[in-house]
Amino acid sequence: GAVVSQHPSRVICKSGTSVKIECRSLDFQATTMFWYRQFPKQSLMLMATSNEGSKATYEQGVEKDKFLINHASLTLSTLTVTSAHPEDSSFYICSAQGAGNTIYFGEGSWLTVV
Amino acid sequence: LAKTTQPISMDSYEGQEVNITCSHNNIATNDYITWYQQFPSQGPRFIIQGYKTKVTNEVASLFIPADRKSSTLSLPRVSLSDTAVYYCLVGNDYKLSFGAGTTVTVRA
Repeated sequence: GAVVSQHPSRVICKSGTSVKIECRSLDFQATTMFWYRQFPKQSLMLMATSNEGSKATYEQGVEKDKFLINHASLTLSTLTVTSAHPEDSSFYICSAQGAGNTIYFGEGSWLTVV
Repeated sequence: LAKTTQPISMDSYEGQEVNITCSHNNIATNDYITWYQQFPSQGPRFIIQGYKTKVTNEVASLFIPADRKSSTLSLPRVSLSDTAVYYCLVGNDYKLSFGAGTTVTVRA
């Protein structure tokens, strides 16, 4: 099946710094990708829709200046958490549309801000 | 997006069949029903998708009655490795909204 890969799988950064997470579709092109965050023992929360070649669409309550999304190619979307704080520590997951109506998810990336 | 309701948790034993029912009373005509499985610290994994009647693949079956207001995911002969959270999603685009999911615990 379609494969979506994220990198890094785990990252620790200092408070106030920025960190970038990559999401790649390995065997298909994805004009649209999605970014979610998930806190422990909670469900996934959609943060934004990443559109290739155009600006991302953010869900209500998500700060677009803090969570920068770039979708520069048909196989890569990046999420940059700027000026990270401990409350940004979470599990970040991306997804992309594969064949038909199926959405495939990446492995997820753990961000810990210390 | 159609709202879904699932049981919060279910317990089972190895070798048994597990059936998880999801209610989606306001499903739209062009909505699909999709189920995902998620293990801790991993992204959701696609299990099965259907529109109506019955769909079966190598890991599960999906039963959808004629009114499509509910659906049942059937996992045959579960093993300990099937312990996970299972999400039912309903929609017709790719912006998925996750509910709380059902935590299935399989015991030896």
